[in-house]
Amino acid sequence: DVKVTQSSRYLVKRTGEKVFLECVQDMDHENMFWYRQDPGLGLRLIYFSYDVKMKEKGDIPEGYSVSREKKERFSLILESASTNQTSMYLCASNVQGYEQYFGPGTRLTVT
Amino acid sequence: KNQVEQSPQSLIILEGKNCTLQCNYTVSPFSNLRWYKQDTGRGPVSLTIMTFSENTKSNGRYTATLDADTKQSSLHITASQLSDSASYICVVSLKVAAGNKLTFGGGTRVLVKP
Repeated sequence: DVKVTQSSRYLVKRTGEKVFLECVQDMDHENMFWYRQDPGLGLRLIYFSYDVKMKEKGDIPEGYSVSREKKERFSLILESASTNQTSMYLCASNVQGYEQYFGPGTRLTVT
Repeated sequence: KNQVEQSPQSLIILEGKNCTLQCNYTVSPFSNLRWYKQDTGRGPVSLTIMTFSENTKSNGRYTATLDADTKQSSLHITASQLSDSASYICVVSLKVAAGNKLTFGGGTRVLVKP
C-alpha cells in the first residue's frame, strides 16, 4: 500500500525559529513535492525534487529551502519562521506522469 | 494565466441526495484532470483521472465528466453518505518541458447532514 508520512501532524513554533518538516515515502518514487494549503487559495507548490540532491523552485519558494539527501526523504526548511508561514503543509510523491500521493499534512502555527 | 476555478465554495446536502460540483479551467496545454477528495486533517486522495479524449469516468458513487472544448468538468455524487463530507479538489495537469505541472482549484467543501 502506498504510503507518504510526515513527521508531525501539528507544530507550534515561534517567530524567528528554524523549522524542519520531514516527509518520507516508501514507494521508491523519484519525484517529491512540498505544498502549502491555505483557505481559498488551494494548494500551492513550494519546491519539488526529481532526484536525490536535485531541487526545483515551485510557485512560492520565498522563505523556504529543501533538502533531499536520500530518495525516500524530502525535507522542507523554514530558515526563520514568520507568522505568514502559518499554514497546512502537504508533502506528495509520484512517478513522473502518474498520480501524486499525498501525506496527511502538517498544520504549522507560527506565533 | 493558468487557473482552475471551482464552484460552489461550499455545499450542504442531506444524506441520500445527489449533488454536482463544478470546475472550470483555463490551463493550456492540457494533459489531464483529476478530482481529489480531502477529508478534514488528511491529505488529498485521487478519485478519478480523465485525459483529453475521455468525457466521463466513474468511481463508485462518484462520476466525473469532462468537456475539453468548453474546459469544464463536473463531479457528481450520487446518494450521498455522511462519509462524503470532505473537500473536493479539481486538479488540472498541463504539459511542460520538464513533464507535467499541476494547477489546483480552491476546492468545494461538502457537508452531508443526516
